[in-house]
Amino acid sequence: QPVVTQEPSLTVSPGGTVTLTCGSSTGSVTGSQYPYWFQQKPGQAPRTLIYDTNSKHSWTPARFSGSLLGGKAALTLSGAQPEDEADYYCLLSYKDARPVFGGGTKLTVL
Amino acid sequence: QVQLVQSGVEVTKPGASVKVSCKASGYTFTNYGINWVRQAPGKGLEWMGWISGYNGNTDYAQNFQGRVTVTTDTSTSTAHMEVRSLRFDDTAVYYCARTFRDSWYLLDLWGQGTLVTVSS
Repeated sequence: QPVVTQEPSLTVSPGGTVTLTCGSSTGSVTGSQYPYWFQQKPGQAPRTLIYDTNSKHSWTPARFSGSLLGGKAALTLSGAQPEDEADYYCLLSYKDARPVFGGGTKLTVL
Repeated sequence: QVQLVQSGVEVTKPGASVKVSCKASGYTFTNYGINWVRQAPGKGLEWMGWISGYNGNTDYAQNFQGRVTVTTDTSTSTAHMEVRSLRFDDTAVYYCARTFRDSWYLLDLWGQGTLVTVSS
């Protein structure tokens, strides 16, 4: 099974910008892997922020954006808020069409 | 109100089976599917499998094939997930999430999660 890699932890200052990345053991991440990004706060179910690389749901704050960057999927947070402190997971699709989650990034706003 | 409501906490023994349910409301169940995702304590998310609410087609992660079965009851707009031969490392919160009718994509709506504890 492919392995999806994320930074274990990142820290951003309030109002700052941070980019989380999502890599694949099989090579460069492409748009045909339909990258998803989820936010999860303690004790809560995950919430989908980004789908299909850069599409947002109606509830996704405008400060979050998705892209492909340097062979990885990326989630950029511009203007971090204290409420953005959470775990973030990416999800990629593979040739057998089954999805694989990354290990998650713990984002601290400090 | 569009929502997925899951069944309650389960405590069970190694070797037993457990069945978790996920009841949909506020939308047409047969126009969508359901993913099952689990999260062990302090760990990340793990995709387990998917079922179409339209025709009952299923797909499973390799790790769960043969030990997990997902089903639907369209009369009650409910999806079920059964895990057999439970092991201690099956202790986790199990989530359902809505998908497109014909594939695992979308995940726009999540259940609240069901804690399954495997303990002797």
